[in-house]
Parts: sequence; C-alpha cells; structure tokens
Amino acid sequence: AQTVTQSQPEMSVQEAETVTLSCTYDTSESDYYLFWYKQPPSRQMILVIRQEAYKQQNATENRFSVNFQKAAKSFSLKISDSQLGDAAMYFCAYRPFWVLVFGKGTKLTVNP
Amino acid sequence: EADIYQTPRYLVIGTGKKITLECSQTMGHDKMYWYQQDPGMELHLIHYSYGVNSTEKGDLSSESTVSRIRTEHFPLTLESARPSHTSQYLCASSGPGQGQTQYFGPGTRLLVL
Repeated sequence: AQTVTQSQPEMSVQEAETVTLSCTYDTSESDYYLFWYKQPPSRQMILVIRQEAYKQQNATENRFSVNFQKAAKSFSLKISDSQLGDAAMYFCAYRPFWVLVFGKGTKLTVNP
Repeated sequence: EADIYQTPRYLVIGTGKKITLECSQTMGHDKMYWYQQDPGMELHLIHYSYGVNSTEKGDLSSESTVSRIRTEHFPLTLESARPSHTSQYLCASSGPGQGQTQYFGPGTRLLVL
C-alpha cells in the first residue's frame, strides 16, 4: 500500500529561525508528484510547494524549499525566516495517479 | 488562489435530516474530490470524480453520495444525518497540468445533534 509518514506530530520554531518538517513515503512507482500543503487554523488548505519525482532539482518557493531524496523516499520541507503566519498544520502528500495520499500532518507553532 | 467554493460553511442539524453540501469550481477542472477531515486533522478521501457522470468511492467508507451532472458542480448528500457524520468536509478540484495539483475549498463544518 502507498503510505505517507510524517513522523513529527508537532513542531515549534522561533520567529525568524529555520525549521524542517519531515516526510517519507512508500511507493513502487518511478514517476509521481509530491506536495506540501498548509492549513492555518480554521482556514483554507493551500498549496505550499510541488515536486516532480523525475526532476533532480529541489523545488523552491520563496522561503519554502524541499529536500527531495528519491532513493530514500524522503521529502522534507524547510521553512526559512519563519513568520507568525507560518503557524499551521502542514500536510505532505504523494500523487502517483489521480488521487492524493496524505500524511497525518505536522502542527507547526511559531513562537514570537 | 484557486476559485473553489463550498456552502454552507457551517451547518448544525438534527439527526435524521437530509443534507446536501455544495461544492463549485470555476476553473473548468475535470476532476473533483471530497475529503472528510477528522478532529485529529487527518484527511480521508470519501468520493472523487474524473468528469461528468463519473463518480468513485474513496478509501474511507461513507454513507454519503455524490453526483456530477455539471463539470463545475460536485454536491455531496447525506440522506439521513447522524452524530457520527459530524466532521469537516473539504472539496477539491484538479485539472490538466501542474501535476494535477488539487485546490481546496474553504470547507464545511458539520455538526449533527
């Protein structure tokens, strides 16, 4: 079965510091997509970053970047210069075909 | 941000009532999805659709039903609501390109008394 594991149920970071959220997945596919989504408290789920498995280069979106290790099936999210608005649930997701397989989420707290 | 809408945003209803949660998107996406999000925030896919007149059940068994008569509209219906249906329901859609990225609506919080 295809699974996504986020081993850190909760993380905290000081404002302006850097934090890394972990994600591993299990698959036998060679071509797929990986995503990180953010869900602020009582607010809409939004896409943070997307990675295509056949691309070697790690995706970057402003302060958000990933460390994609295909052989290790690892897809971590690094948030640099953390801001109070980054506080949210973060979900890692894997897409081999049309449906997404989500991890259970990591709750990120940002301390002022 | 994507244009995907859900109504109502909040609903409190008594046991046994029939309810329909609405989901609409204006992006022309062919694929749409319904997720149930439990209090621990875990997401469970309950229904999805590849296009008009196509619907499939997801991983989590659900007593709800869906229909896809128009591309932009994907309503979810509970014929007889029960307290166990209390949850947050998220609708999403995806289209060609961008790795079939799913875009989510704001969600409907349902409380069944």
